[in-house]
Amino acid sequence: DAGVTQSPTHLIKTRGQQVTLRCSPKSGHDTVSWYQQALGQGPQFIFQYYEEEERQRGNFPDRFSGHQFPNYSSELNVNALLLGDSALYLCASSPLELRETQYFGPGTRLLVL
Amino acid sequence: GNSVTQMEGPVTLSEEAFLTINCTYTATGYPSLFWYVQYPGEGLQLLLKATKADDKGSNKGFEATYRKETTSFHLEKGSVQVSDSAVYFCALSDLNTGNQFYFGTGTSLTVIP
Repeated sequence: DAGVTQSPTHLIKTRGQQVTLRCSPKSGHDTVSWYQQALGQGPQFIFQYYEEEERQRGNFPDRFSGHQFPNYSSELNVNALLLGDSALYLCASSPLELRETQYFGPGTRLLVL
Repeated sequence: GNSVTQMEGPVTLSEEAFLTINCTYTATGYPSLFWYVQYPGEGLQLLLKATKADDKGSNKGFEATYRKETTSFHLEKGSVQVSDSAVYFCALSDLNTGNQFYFGTGTSLTVIP
């Protein structure tokens, strides 16, 4: 049983560009959450998707948007990249009936130059 | 609001020493509490959890007890190993906020032989 997978593993972009990160949840999980982890910090919640809709959102600007597909996979899009967007982006999945416990993917390391 | 405060690191211990990493929380409702571990270059792995007051979570020799009266969830291990070297994150999940996770800043543990 595959766990949560994310792609790509690493990415380098320049300021002003746009980026799309991808996540496939663990089998049987229908809820996907995204987190940003800056170097030396704990993860910060960006948003959560289930039933293909954004259900919860953290304190992030509208430049951060997402999507969930019918197969429960998800994308995180960031527009107009800033240097401060450089971070590890983590995807976590959980089953709807047990959303209190989340399983994390290995993350995508984004560097904005 | 919800928040988690963790003991600051880094922590360096000799093999077989006793480990305590302090964690306290603030929550508006009745949260579930978690410890996650992050090994270098990897995502977060669930170490243990407790969902209600006085519950004890345990895994791989690690333990933590949900103390509502002191709003704490301290992580302990009686005898650490070199392989326990990692960053440890305390987190809470609150149904009142859609099970969004709130993480502490992490405590880096290095165990020396």
